[in-house]
Amino acid sequence: DVKVTQSSRYLVKRTGEKVFLECVQDMDHENMFWYRQDPGLGLRLIYFSYDVKMKEKGDIPEGYSVSREKKERFSLILESASTNQTSMYLCASSPGMERPLHFGNGTRLTVT
Amino acid sequence: GENVEQHPSTLSVQEGDSAVIKCTYSDSASNYFPWYKQELGKGPQLIIDIRSNVGEKKDQRIAVTLNKTAKHFSLHITETQPEDSAVYFCAGWYNNNDMRFGAGTRLTVKP
Repeated sequence: DVKVTQSSRYLVKRTGEKVFLECVQDMDHENMFWYRQDPGLGLRLIYFSYDVKMKEKGDIPEGYSVSREKKERFSLILESASTNQTSMYLCASSPGMERPLHFGNGTRLTVT
Repeated sequence: GENVEQHPSTLSVQEGDSAVIKCTYSDSASNYFPWYKQELGKGPQLIIDIRSNVGEKKDQRIAVTLNKTAKHFSLHITETQPEDSAVYFCAGWYNNNDMRFGAGTRLTVKP
C-alpha cells in the first residue's frame, strides 16, 4: 500500500512564525500536492509538483511556498503564519495524471 | 473555469436505504473522476473511480455513473450501513495536471 506520511498531526504556532509542514511518500510517485481543508469549502489546492524542483501554484498559493528537493519529499512553508492560515493541511501523491491521489492523514495547524 | 460542484452538502438516510450524491464538472475536466471517503481524523481515501469511456462502474454496494453530455457524475450507495457515515468528495482531474475537489457531502446513516 502507498504510504503518505505527514510529520505532525497537530501543530500550534504563533502569528509571524515560519512554519514547515513535511510530507513523505514511499511509492516513487511523480506528483505531489498540498491541499487545505476548511468546513464548507472542501479541499483547495495550494501548490503541486510534478517533478523534483518543479512546482505549480494552485488556487490559493498566497502566503505559502513549497520545496521539493527530493522525489519523495514535499514541504509546505508558511513564511509568516497568520491566524487565517489555521486549518487542516493535507498532502497527497499520485503516480501521474489521471491516476488516484493518495492522502496522508493531515496536519491540523492552529495559529494563535 | 476549472470547477467541480457537489450536492447535497449534507445527507441523512435510514440504515438500509440508498444514498445518492451528485457532482457536475466544467468543460476543461479530463477523463478521470474519482470519489473519496473521509472518516473522522483521517485523510480522504479513494472508494471508486470512473473514466469517461464508460457510463457506469460498480463495486459491491457502491456505484458511480457518468453522463458526459450533461457533464455530471453521481455516487450511489445501496443498503447503507452506519459505517458508511463519513464525508464524501467527488473530484475531477484537469489538464494542467492537478485534481479539483467538490465541497464535500456529509452522509449520516441512522441505525
